[in-house]
Amino acid sequence: DGGITQSPKYLFRKEGQNVTLSCEQNLNHDAMYWYRQDPGQGLRLIYYSQIVNDFQKGDIAEGYSFSREKKESFPLTVTSAQKNPTAFYLCASSIRLGGSYEQYFGPGTRLTVT
Amino acid sequence: RKEVEQDPGPFNVPEGATVAFNCTYSNSASQSFFWYRQDCRKEPKLLMSVYSSGNEDGRFTAQLNRASQYISLLIRDSKLSDSATYLCVVNTNAGKSTFGDGTTLTVKP
Repeated sequence: DGGITQSPKYLFRKEGQNVTLSCEQNLNHDAMYWYRQDPGQGLRLIYYSQIVNDFQKGDIAEGYSFSREKKESFPLTVTSAQKNPTAFYLCASSIRLGGSYEQYFGPGTRLTVT
Repeated sequence: RKEVEQDPGPFNVPEGATVAFNCTYSNSASQSFFWYRQDCRKEPKLLMSVYSSGNEDGRFTAQLNRASQYISLLIRDSKLSDSATYLCVVNTNAGKSTFGDGTTLTVKP
């Protein structure tokens, strides 16, 4: 089946550790995105990539790093510099259709840092 | 002011009711618009795109007013299964997406 996978579903880390979240898609989409969602709030864009090796900062890029070496993969690293890393992290991909970007989401990773 | 603002909700309606959500956006360069549905602790799922001419999908109707910079979603004949959070999304032509904070709908028997 085509789709977007994120792993793991739940992740626990100690404060001060870097952690990498996985995102893979087999939809042949060019663009990929990372969002975080805090309880009771909407999604906030961290980074997005329109093509391989292209990166654009979102609204809350500080404390995160990323790579886009392959079209299918867009891993996100939450670094120790991120002050409030505990959140629900969502990855999405999209294809551009006449200027419109319909995004499809993976199931998300819930990160808890203590 | 947020780039994308939605009715704060929550909306609590009986089955069969008609309910409407509004969403305003501040970036006049915005090019594409969507409504997503998010169930509790799940990922958002695309509900429908929003076109200038308005579009309908069964019980759902979406409208876009570029002059006033708002989009709307109308749900007719509400079902219990419509209970969810509805997210408004606005994209620029460069592909940057901005989500509203969502409006929570609860449909009661």
